[in-house]
Amino acid sequence: AQSVTQLDSQVPVFEEAPVELRCNYSSSVSVYLFWYVQYPNQGLQLLLKYLSGSTLVESINGFEAEFNKSQTSFHLRKPSVHISDTAEYFCAVFVNTDKLIFGTGTRLQVFP
Amino acid sequence: DGGITQSPKYLFRKEGQNVTLSCEQNLNHDAMYWYRQDPGQGLRLIYYSQIVNDFQKGDIAEGYSVSREKKESFPLTVTSAQKNPTAFYLCASSRTGSEGSEQFFGPGTRLTVL
Repeated sequence: AQSVTQLDSQVPVFEEAPVELRCNYSSSVSVYLFWYVQYPNQGLQLLLKYLSGSTLVESINGFEAEFNKSQTSFHLRKPSVHISDTAEYFCAVFVNTDKLIFGTGTRLQVFP
Repeated sequence: DGGITQSPKYLFRKEGQNVTLSCEQNLNHDAMYWYRQDPGQGLRLIYYSQIVNDFQKGDIAEGYSVSREKKESFPLTVTSAQKNPTAFYLCASSRTGSEGSEQFFGPGTRLTVL
């Protein structure tokens, strides 16, 4: 069965520091990959997605993720985080089915 | 404004009672979904519907029921058969149910069973 693994349940970081949130998936076929962000007591918002083409995808607020087929990874990075980036981040994969499979989430806590 | 609305935001019920959560979208999307979110477990799919008058069970459908009589509405009923119904419930929709179709989420309903 397909699965998504987010190894880090929490990532604490100081403001303006770089951050990487890790995501690995298990699949031997083509995949579509997503990162969603959830602020407290709200729904999820799409941050970025990989469907095809360039393996490096970027969001409008400075996040980027790189699809690495050989390592089956889609890690999310930001070179300098802000307090407002504090939220929970979910990696998700769409694999030859009609539904998304979500990871368990990573809580990013940015400290001043 | 186009979007997905869920009501109510907070819901309290006594054990043994059925409760229905509302989800409405005005995005003209064909597909709609219900997820359950528990701390440390991410989102788990309860039911989904790719077209009006049709729906499929997700990974944790036991104790839940849905209907899709209108394109814009996909209500979820949490029945008394659901063993642990206290959770945060999220509704989503997408233009189609195919791969790569972005899902848009509502603000969620937090259900607490006393």
